[in-house]
Amino acid sequence: DQQVKQNSPSLSVQEGRISILNCDYTNSMFDYFLWYKKYPAEGPTFLISISSIKDKNEDGRFTVFLNKSAKHLSLHIVPSQPGDSAVYFCAATTQGNNDMRFGAGTRLTVKP
Amino acid sequence: NAGVTQTPKFQVLKTGQSMTLQCAQDMNHEYMSWYRQDPGMGLRLIHYSVGAGITDQGEVPNGYNVSRSTTEDFPLRLLSAAPSQTSVYFCASSSVWGSYEQYFGPGTRLTVT
Repeated sequence: DQQVKQNSPSLSVQEGRISILNCDYTNSMFDYFLWYKKYPAEGPTFLISISSIKDKNEDGRFTVFLNKSAKHLSLHIVPSQPGDSAVYFCAATTQGNNDMRFGAGTRLTVKP
Repeated sequence: NAGVTQTPKFQVLKTGQSMTLQCAQDMNHEYMSWYRQDPGMGLRLIHYSVGAGITDQGEVPNGYNVSRSTTEDFPLRLLSAAPSQTSVYFCASSSVWGSYEQYFGPGTRLTVT
């Protein structure tokens, strides 16, 4: 039972353009969401997070949008750079709960 | 700070063998966890610990044991390896309070034949 879904296994964008990665969740108890980035042969690294009391959080080139009614969040990267090429995982949890659920990941390729 | 370290990086086991995957962190984090990553499945939580002496099961705990005798170490034991346990294993840690940001180790790639 995958409670967090990333339906696009891969995404390719041109350098300088916007990358939009999508994530859907089914558990309405989730109230905290995170994005992690993973390079080959390395562990995931934290990128950005958002609490359900917000609908947007920005950190430099990265912005996460949360639509609670649609149970959908997205990560926007503007402008995309070749160094952003990695696998991006969406994760969700309920605050106070120690169980974090991850999506299957989206492989982003940014072409020079 | 070394962050989260895992050993070994690679391991090949025969069905039925046992082994322990080691995980250590030097950030004085209360929370530690083990995940496995399989193609098309993302990361799935195996076991976690919120402090020394306290462990609990995650989403996929069967076939794995853990213990937490110190804040720094959180080993994962496979008592009788099965081919279904072929995976990449990640250990992670975080502070219990505040941000849910987890710090991950580099992973252990395990193959069970």
